[in-house]
Amino acid sequence: KNQVEQSPQSLIILEGKNCTLQCNYTVSPFSNLRWYKQDTGRGPVSLTIMTFSENTKSNGRYTATLDADTKQSSLHITASQLSDSASYICVVRISTTGTYKYIFGTGTRLKVLA
Amino acid sequence: DGGITQSPKYLFRKEGQNVTLSCEQNLNHDAMYWYRQDPGQGLRLIYYSQIVNDFQKGDIAEGYSVSREKKESFPLTVTSAQKNPTAFYLCASSPGLVNEKLFFGSGTQLSVL
Repeated sequence: KNQVEQSPQSLIILEGKNCTLQCNYTVSPFSNLRWYKQDTGRGPVSLTIMTFSENTKSNGRYTATLDADTKQSSLHITASQLSDSASYICVVRISTTGTYKYIFGTGTRLKVLA
Repeated sequence: DGGITQSPKYLFRKEGQNVTLSCEQNLNHDAMYWYRQDPGQGLRLIYYSQIVNDFQKGDIAEGYSVSREKKESFPLTVTSAQKNPTAFYLCASSPGLVNEKLFFGSGTQLSVL
């Protein structure tokens, strides 16, 4: 069964601290993996995309990693800010001939405190 | 200013009533999607359309209907057959290319009176 699992379910950190969110997936065939940020009551916004051949990719204070062998990805947030408070969703795209599908994780809810 | 516009932001449904959620995009994207988001669950696909005048059922299509008469528009109707419609509904679009990403609207919160 195609599945994407995220941990932790929720996380509270102090402003300025770093944190790492985890995503484990069991999907086939893998096409790519994206991390999205979703503010409360808003639609998700893409932060970064990881393809099979990529190990690390940064977008400002966000750094995503991908280990295709263990089927794990992480999102590291450096020097957190209050505006980082949101849900972070891991989405894996699977692709076969002529069709594709997105598998969504349940998200990690991050709260950054002053 | 390009993007996806969903309306209304909040919607209330009475028992036995059909309601329609609007989704419009000016990104010239071919593919459009409707997702349902419930607390503690990942987004679930209701319907999707890869081209005008064509759409396919997703994983939870029962109780919903859609149309795709124009490239820019993909409205979702929640029918009275959907017995548990309270959720946050998200519309998305994508260019339909390799390594494309989903662009989401700001969502509609549907509640039952």
